[in-house]
Amino acid sequence: DVKVTQSSRYLVKRTGEKVFLECVQDMDHENMFWYRQDPGLGLRLIYFSYDVKMKEKGDIPEGYSVSREKKERFSLILESASTNQTSMYLCASSPAGTENTGELFFGEGSRLTVL
Amino acid sequence: AQSVAQPEDQVNVAEGNPLTVKCTYSVSGNPYLFWYVQYPNRGLQFLLKYITGDNLVKGSYGFEAEFNKSQTSFHLKKPSALVSDSALYFCAVRPTGANNLFFGTGTRLTVIP
Repeated sequence: DVKVTQSSRYLVKRTGEKVFLECVQDMDHENMFWYRQDPGLGLRLIYFSYDVKMKEKGDIPEGYSVSREKKERFSLILESASTNQTSMYLCASSPAGTENTGELFFGEGSRLTVL
Repeated sequence: AQSVAQPEDQVNVAEGNPLTVKCTYSVSGNPYLFWYVQYPNRGLQFLLKYITGDNLVKGSYGFEAEFNKSQTSFHLKKPSALVSDSALYFCAVRPTGANNLFFGTGTRLTVIP
């Protein structure tokens, strides 16, 4: 069974802290994504990566960075957490090339609260 | 610019009745279209997709969706709703040549026993 695993389901952090959200997929997918989900706004793309050490900004990259040192792992980093980054964060992956029919495979989500 | 609209924040339907969750999109080219479902405190689960071919696509849990190119719509349907269908539903599009999906704001479906 295919799987995208997000390391933390629930986190509570304080303003100014550095936060790491980890995502691992076991499907050997080239593409990985980080979205944030907020009520009334749906899912918005923060960053995505189509290969190791490659990254592309999504629609709302401000305040975030990412790291992809290995194919299976894609990390989202909040350098200095702020209260407006309180949200549900969703990691997803997809294959590249002819295998890519567009479907994304999602993790269970990480709910971050910044106090 | 790409956009996906789900005009209803909330849809209520009685158990056993047919349900429709609406989605319209504004994307250039021939996009791929998707529906995902999210249960409380869970990630998104894929329901169905349209890439090409028959305008009526069937997916998981008895759901289906109808692609209408002239109306740029992709409404989700089910002939007979179950209480267990209560969840948050997202419509998404992948523009031609893109890797990522653009999502609507979601529609909360409540099936009343």
